[in-house]
Parts: sequence; structure tokens; C-alpha cells
Amino acid sequence: AQTVTQSQPEMSVQEAETVTLSCTYDTSESDYYLFWYKQPPSRQMILVIRQEAYKQQNATENRFSVNFQKAAKSFSLKISDSQLGDAAMYFCAYRSANYGGSQGNLIFGKGTKLSVKP
Amino acid sequence: DGGITQSPKYLFRKEGQNVTLSCEQNLNHDAMYWYRQDPGQGLRLIYYSQIVNDFQKGDIAEGYSVSREKKESFPLTVTSAQKNPTAFYLCASSAGQFKAFFGQGTRLTVV
Repeated sequence: AQTVTQSQPEMSVQEAETVTLSCTYDTSESDYYLFWYKQPPSRQMILVIRQEAYKQQNATENRFSVNFQKAAKSFSLKISDSQLGDAAMYFCAYRSANYGGSQGNLIFGKGTKLSVKP
Repeated sequence: DGGITQSPKYLFRKEGQNVTLSCEQNLNHDAMYWYRQDPGQGLRLIYYSQIVNDFQKGDIAEGYSVSREKKESFPLTVTSAQKNPTAFYLCASSAGQFKAFFGQGTRLTVV
């Protein structure tokens, strides 16, 4: 079974600085998707960024980028120029590309709480 | 606007009582999911459905039941067999391998 591990329960960053959130996963599959979701105090889950395992190029969305290391099974999220609105819980998630049965489900890590200091 | 609607936002359950959480989507997605969120636990899968009239147990299905009579709707019933139901419940839907869309959640509290 696949697992997702976020080893940093809490992180803090100064406004305008850069922070990196860590995520590792375990799978025997070669084709899958990885996601970072943000959950602000409103508790609405918001997709931040997505990475297809078959793509070598790291995904980027504005101030958010990932460092995807497939061999190491690592998927870290870098937030540049941190803003107060970035304060939230961040969840790393895995989904198999073999859509069908239980393999279409998202498997989540336990989350990292990010605080942004003004 | 398309999206997922969960209701109610807050729900209180008495001991021994069954309660039903509503989840409706107008995204025309085939797959729908129910997750439970506890502090420090991330999101854990309760049930999922990939087609109407079919659903499967997730990792923590005991004490819960679901139905999928319509594509748009996937209600979750928390039964009296669920001994620790106080949690935040999230419903999601997806189309194939694309991203999942989440509802705004229901906070269930046992009183």
C-alpha cells in the first residue's frame, strides 16, 4: 500500500522569505500523480500544485514550485515570497495513475502547519 | 457555478443517534469520496464511489454507510456504531485522474 509522510508538523517563515515543505512517499508503482493541497482556517481544500510522475520537469505555479525526486520518492513544495495568506495547513497527496478500484483515491500525509510572520 | 456542496456546516449528534451528511455536486463527476479529518491525522478515506449504484469501503468504513442513487449525490450516514464520530468530514469528487474538488466540510460533534 502507498503511504505519504510529511515529517514537519509545523513550519514558520518570515513574510517575503522562502520556505520548503517536505514530503516523501512510498509506492511500488511507476505511474502516479502527486499533489499539494492547502487548507486555510476556512478548512476549504485548495489544490496548490500537481505533478505527474512521468514528467521530469518540476511543476511550477506562480510562487509555488516543487522539487520532484522520483528515485528518492521525494516531493517537496517551495513557497517563494511568502505572504500572510499562505498561512495554512499543507497536505501532500498521492494518487495512482491506475484509475479503477481503490487506486483512484487520494492518499494524504498528515499535514504541515505553516505560519507566516509579518 | 459548478462545485460541491456539503450540508450542514455544523451538526450535533446525540449518543446512539444516526445522522446523515449531505454531499451534492454539479460537476458531472463520476467519482465521489468521503474523508474524515482529525487533528494530526490528515485525511482518511471512509467510502468512495466511482459509479452510480456502486460504492466501496475505504480505510475507516466501520460505523458509516453511504448510498449513490444519483450521480450528483453521495450522502454519508454516521451510525450509532461509530463510537468516536466527532470530526471534520470532507466530501470530494473527481473526473478520471484529474484533480479532486472538495466541499467545504461538515463539522460533526457528539453531545
